[in-house]
Amino acid sequence: QAVVTQEPSLTVSPGGTVTLTCGSNTGPVTSTHWPYWFQQRPGQAPRTLIYETGNKHSWTPARFSGSLLGGKAALTLSGAQPEDEADYYCLLSYGGPRVFGGGTKLTVL
Amino acid sequence: EVQLVESGGGLVQPGGSLRLSCAASGFTFSDHFMDWVRQAPGKGLEWVGRIRDKVNSYITEYAASVKGRFTISRDDSENSLYLQMDSLKAEDTALYYCASIRGVHGYWGQGTLVTVSS
Repeated sequence: QAVVTQEPSLTVSPGGTVTLTCGSNTGPVTSTHWPYWFQQRPGQAPRTLIYETGNKHSWTPARFSGSLLGGKAALTLSGAQPEDEADYYCLLSYGGPRVFGGGTKLTVL
Repeated sequence: EVQLVESGGGLVQPGGSLRLSCAASGFTFSDHFMDWVRQAPGKGLEWVGRIRDKVNSYITEYAASVKGRFTISRDDSENSLYLQMDSLKAEDTALYYCASIRGVHGYWGQGTLVTVSS
């Protein structure tokens, strides 16, 4: 089974910009991994933010964006807000089976 | 409004079985692939498995950690998704989520807790 890696923790200042990444031990992440990004606040169910690399849901705040960057999937938060403090997970597909990354704990401080 | 409501969780002994259900509403359930995702206490998300739709022959896929022990099924006439869990182990203890995560569909239930302990 593939291993998907994320930064364990990151800190961003209010109003600042931060990029979370999602890599794969099988090689570069591409659009054919159909990358997804999820936000999970403490005590809540996950919420889907980005689907298929860079597409936003109707509920996704405009300050979040998804892309491919340097062989990884990336989630960029521009203009961080206190409510963005949460755990973030990526999900990659491997031709059928899917694998989550270990998650990034984002602190807004 | 899309709703996914899981049920069936509880306490089960190691080696035992449990069947989880997920009731879907607010969308055309039969048109969508459905996933099960779990989260052990204090840990990250783990993809459990997925079932495709009728057009895709209801094909199922599983994580290596549950393959051969867990079975995903669905009843499109009842808008329901199921997870049959057999030969349960302590490490299967988790909050189990039903989710519709494909393309523009990005919906999650609130989860049902499964505890495997003697």
